Amino acid sequence: TQLLEQSPQFLSIQEGENLTVYCNSSSVFSSLQWYRQEPGEGPVLLVTVVTGGEVKKLKRLTFQFGDARKDSSLHITAAQPGDTGLYLCAGTRGGKLIFGQGTELSVKP
Amino acid sequence: DVKVTQSSRYLVKRTGEKVFLECVQDMDHENMFWYRQDPGLGLRLIYFSYDVKMKEKGDIPEGYSVSREKKERFSLILESASTNQTSMYLCASSLGGVIRATEAFFGQGTRLTVV
Repeated sequence: TQLLEQSPQFLSIQEGENLTVYCNSSSVFSSLQWYRQEPGEGPVLLVTVVTGGEVKKLKRLTFQFGDARKDSSLHITAAQPGDTGLYLCAGTRGGKLIFGQGTELSVKP
Repeated sequence: DVKVTQSSRYLVKRTGEKVFLECVQDMDHENMFWYRQDPGLGLRLIYFSYDVKMKEKGDIPEGYSVSREKKERFSLILESASTNQTSMYLCASSLGGVIRATEAFFGQGTRLTVV
């Protein structure tokens, strides 16, 4: 079983649509991170959320950390083809950085 | 520019061979990680090191070992490669921090095929 469960696993949408990706756990995390990975590359950090209820914005991307610090969401407004990629949430457990399964996003023009 | 460099982008090895995957970082980071990435499974942690000569098992250490003799270098060893170890292997490094995650920087990955 995954410590961090992401949903959906696959998402295919048209340019201009909005979407939300979820990252859930039964465990409390002191912080959660979101990474984006493009084909042939390693993941790159988008954001770290630390405080329960925290909301962070990165242009058209909005990240939220749940009040109980067990879950997080990533919302993309007006998706563009350049948003295509694998989105991964990650949390620290005993110093180890643990990842969810990832959400494969495809945005079609 | 921060850098994590993995020694090979692609490797093809035979079943039973001993395989070495090398990773070097130039950021003076305490933490280094080895993951394998398979479709639908995300990144699964194989081993983690928080200091020179220190290592901890991740979620899937069986069939693997690691070596960290110098701070900048973290090696993953497949003692006897098997076909189920065919995968993308990713190395990462980050500043020390047990409680809160610091940014992890990744190499470009090594796609290993065991035949």
